[in-house]
Amino acid sequence: KQEVTQIPAALSVPEGENLVLNCSFTDSAIYNLQWFRQDPGKGLTSLLLIQSSQREQTSGRLNASLDKSSGRSTLYIAASQPGDSATYLCASYYGQNFVFGPGTRLSVLP
Amino acid sequence: NAGVTQTPKFQVLKTGQSMTLQCAQDMNHEYMSWYRQDPGMGLRLIHYSVGAGITDQGEVPNGYNVSRSTTEDFPLRLLSAAPSQTSVYFCASSYFAGTEDGYTFGSGTRLTVV
Repeated sequence: KQEVTQIPAALSVPEGENLVLNCSFTDSAIYNLQWFRQDPGKGLTSLLLIQSSQREQTSGRLNASLDKSSGRSTLYIAASQPGDSATYLCASYYGQNFVFGPGTRLSVLP
Repeated sequence: NAGVTQTPKFQVLKTGQSMTLQCAQDMNHEYMSWYRQDPGMGLRLIHYSVGAGITDQGEVPNGYNVSRSTTEDFPLRLLSAAPSQTSVYFCASSYFAGTEDGYTFGSGTRLTVV
């Protein structure tokens, strides 16, 4: 059974800092890995999707990497802003469905 | 706007009542799924469908029923609501299982069972 964990569970940083969110999965036989953002009381917004054959994806200030052999993915956020405050979830596509991590709650202080 | 539409957004039920959570998408996606989100536990898969007429169970299917009579709609039925089903429910869809485009999520239904 695939299990996905995320470290840290919560993170508070001052505006402008670069930060890294970590995602680990137990079974490396994944098809892809997706990072989502969730604002309080809202649904999930897709940020980046990395195919199993890829090493990283970039979108603006966001960069996600994937290391299947070690069962890890990282989401790098450059020059953080208060508007980045949200919960970030990773999900590994395994079998026929996504398996989600519990999320990292990020607060960026002005 | 194209996307995944969930109704209602909020619902309060009494223990033992039944209800249907609606999910509709207009993107011609074959794959649809239902998740529940509970504090500290992430999203857990309830049921999913890879196309009209085909459904299967996920991680936590007990107490829920689904059907997929059309490509667009994937309703989730609570047969006899219990307080343990208090949660936020999300519907998600994609072109097909394992698509490189990933999932599109609805905005969720917040359900409270008293």
